Amino acid sequence: AQSVAQPEDQVNVAEGNPLTVKCTYSVSGNPYLFWYVQYPNRGLQFLLKYITGDNLVKGSYGFEAEFNKSQTSFHLKKPSALVSDSALYFCAVRDRSSGTYKYIFGTGTRLKVLA
Amino acid sequence: EAGVAQSPRYKIIEKRQSVAFWCNPISGHATLYWYQQILGQGPKLLIQFQNNGVVDDSQLPKDRFSAERLKGVDSTLKIQPAKLEDSAVYLCASSPSGTPVTEAFFGQGTRLTVV
Repeated sequence: AQSVAQPEDQVNVAEGNPLTVKCTYSVSGNPYLFWYVQYPNRGLQFLLKYITGDNLVKGSYGFEAEFNKSQTSFHLKKPSALVSDSALYFCAVRDRSSGTYKYIFGTGTRLKVLA
Repeated sequence: EAGVAQSPRYKIIEKRQSVAFWCNPISGHATLYWYQQILGQGPKLLIQFQNNGVVDDSQLPKDRFSAERLKGVDSTLKIQPAKLEDSAVYLCASSPSGTPVTEAFFGQGTRLTVV
């Protein structure tokens, strides 16, 4: 079965410091990987995706993610964190086995950027 | 471009009562999803429509949940009768098609509290 894991429930980082939110995946075949962000009382917003090609993917709001096939990881990164980045972040994989490509989400990581 | 619209934003009901949620996807989007997000967990797919046909309802508790998407546009999700464990945020999302490379666009969600 296809799955994603986010090992950290919460990540704290000081404003201006680099941030990393971790995600590992388990899929059969080539993965389609996504990151979404959820602000309080809001729906999920798409940040970036990896489909194929360059392992470093750039997305919205200065975020990027690195696809690492050997480590089955897709960590979200940002060189300099902002207080406004504080939110809940979800990693997701499209399930190829079902034929419908439904999203399977991780449990989420709460990012707290401290001023 | 208008986003995914959901109503109501909040709903409080007593157990064993019924409730319905409404979703209007982005115009032209063929795929519509309903997700359940329990506090502290990632979203879980309840049902996925492609136009007005169901392509995945494997995780929908069919004894109490039902959903329809008439004319392949807006959709309603119903719970009857509600249980305490149905307390969650119900997210509607849409995407242009069911292909795995397209991201989904989420509404703000409906927060349901069952007392």
